[in-house]
Amino acid sequence: NAGVTQTPKFQVLKTGQSMTLQCAQDMNHEYMSWYRQDPGMGLRLIHYSVGAGITDQGEVPNGYNVSRSTTEDFPLRLLSAAPSQTSVYFCASSPHRGAQPQHFGDGTRLSIL
Amino acid sequence: GQQVMQIPQYQHVQEGEDFTTYCNSSTTLSNIQWYKQRPGGHPVFLIQLVKSGEVKKQKRLTFQFGEAKKNSSLHITATQTTDVGTYFCAGPMKTSYDKVIFGPGTSLSVIP
Repeated sequence: NAGVTQTPKFQVLKTGQSMTLQCAQDMNHEYMSWYRQDPGMGLRLIHYSVGAGITDQGEVPNGYNVSRSTTEDFPLRLLSAAPSQTSVYFCASSPHRGAQPQHFGDGTRLSIL
Repeated sequence: GQQVMQIPQYQHVQEGEDFTTYCNSSTTLSNIQWYKQRPGGHPVFLIQLVKSGEVKKQKRLTFQFGEAKKNSSLHITATQTTDVGTYFCAGPMKTSYDKVIFGPGTSLSVIP
């Protein structure tokens, strides 16, 4: 049972480039979410999904896009990378909506030059 | 907007000493969660508290939810080097139960 798998673990981008951070869970969890973690600021919610085909914005959604075509996958897209998006990104899942994140991926450390 | 604060931001303790971190929300929370993140790692879910005044224990860790459901605490008895990490509290946002707001965390260092 792999839990929540994030790829890649590290990435360096140039300003203006786009990329997709992958997140997959094998626990048949309904709720999935993306967070960014910056020093001294805890985790901030970017986007979340309460089920396949349903997504919504979190606290800091600008510059990011998500989709949820299957229960298992919840990719995060950076449309045009900016230095302010340099951060550590975590994907998380929970069995159902209303249950706060219980399983986190190992994170993606992203640097935008 | 809704805020979740934690104090202290940093705490250095001698191994064997006790440690407490406090979490305060600007609004009442329907529930609260605690997480631990080791340096370089990902957050790990520790516990959820739901009831006003609830107290839960996990070995040397004691979690408490305030009567007004606006604050919470995590107390570690006789710290060990394995307790090193950052402890976060989190709860659902008032505007949407599906959105989670995290506190900034308390970083614990344990001196052997």
